Amino acid sequence: EVHLVESGGGLIQPGGSLRLSCAASGFTVSTNYMSWVRQAPGKGLEWVSVIYTGGSTYYADSVKGRLTISRDSSKNTVYLQMNSLRVEDTAVYYCARILGGPLSATGADWFDPWGQGTLVTVSS
Amino acid sequence: DIQMTQSPSSLSASVGDRVTITCRASQSISSYLSWYQQKPGKAPKVLIYAASTLQSGVPARFSGSGSGTDFTLTINSLQPEDFATYYCQQSYSLYTFGQGTKLEIK
Repeated sequence: EVHLVESGGGLIQPGGSLRLSCAASGFTVSTNYMSWVRQAPGKGLEWVSVIYTGGSTYYADSVKGRLTISRDSSKNTVYLQMNSLRVEDTAVYYCARILGGPLSATGADWFDPWGQGTLVTVSS
Repeated sequence: DIQMTQSPSSLSASVGDRVTITCRASQSISSYLSWYQQKPGKAPKVLIYAASTLQSGVPARFSGSGSGTDFTLTINSLQPEDFATYYCQQSYSLYTFGQGTKLEIK
């Protein structure tokens, strides 16, 4: 069964750092596109970052230069290193696999599955 | 950046009703659109991808249509478990979600 489990969230002061982990089972993270999506309390979904199979990474403008996505094939885990955290980074952070891609029948990408999420609270 | 705008932001309906949610992209995204359902305290779940392809296991009362800039999600014969928040998402240029549509019981 395909499964994702996030960890590493918690309470952190503004300006601090945190590293989130996303452990995958049932598939290999290095042969899939992997992404982080966040949801501030009571708000909608915001795409944060993606790492493609070739290692290319992309970020939302709101986090560029502060958050870094990476993966460890030996641990089958994806990470989100979060530096210079701001109050507005407070959110549940979800990890998700991206299916589809340019070589698929449709060319479209969609997020499936998602982890259960981990809450990051940035507050003094 | 591509912006995604959903309407309405909220919607009240009754069990058995047919409802339609729309999603408009700020530029053409071909058929690179997906729909998700999210219930309180839970992760989102994909319903439809590539604008109109039903994800395996999703009930056939859900359907999607559209291409270019205008898309719709239709739910026929609403069931109690369908009351949730729905999001559209484009994958034409990186990724963007719509702001969500909360479907409530009338």
